[in-house]
Amino acid sequence: NAGVTQTPKFQVLKTGQSMTLQCAQDMNHNSMYWYRQDPGMGLRLIYYSASEGTTDKGEVPNGYNVSRLNKREFSLRLESAAPSQTSVYFCASSDRGFMNGYTFGSGTRLTVV
Amino acid sequence: GENVEQHPSTLSVQEGDSAVIKCTYSDSASNYFPWYKQELGKGPQLIIDIRSNVGEKKDQRIAVTLNKTAKHFSLHITETQPEDSAVYFCAATPYDYKLSFGAGTTVTVRA
Repeated sequence: NAGVTQTPKFQVLKTGQSMTLQCAQDMNHNSMYWYRQDPGMGLRLIYYSASEGTTDKGEVPNGYNVSRLNKREFSLRLESAAPSQTSVYFCASSDRGFMNGYTFGSGTRLTVV
Repeated sequence: GENVEQHPSTLSVQEGDSAVIKCTYSDSASNYFPWYKQELGKGPQLIIDIRSNVGEKKDQRIAVTLNKTAKHFSLHITETQPEDSAVYFCAATPYDYKLSFGAGTTVTVRA
């Protein structure tokens, strides 16, 4: 099925550990995004890649890094996890001009203890 | 950047009644306004969108209206059903990428 695939679905980290969240889309979309969702705060943009080869900071980039590996894949890395990074993370993709809006992945629920 | 405010944060309606969610945006250059529905444990899904050259769009029981002068847009759900219970997000953007989202509205449809 066409769409956005995120791995893993669940993860528990200890403070200070590192991890990479993976995201891949098979819709040939140009743009990809990482959001975090916290109760009462909606969807906040962490980083985005408007097109292959470019990445930019969003609203809440501190503590994260990203890599646009190719047109399909966009990964999010936590170098030294902190309890404040406990959240649900969503990857999304879109074509230029939003012919079909964003397509979201199913999310990664991350807990940092 | 674009700032989107969404109200109310929670909405409880009787099955069969209508639900209305309102959003305002700050950037007068914004030209694309989608609405997303998020069911428990899932990612948001696009349910309807509108562009700035249109004032209203309807899809079965769902409609969106846009007032560019006042910089606000609204989602209307008629004849609500239990499966309409979810979190709804509005968004806006002046670009052809990168949406700015509202904080979300939790809609509960009472049987």
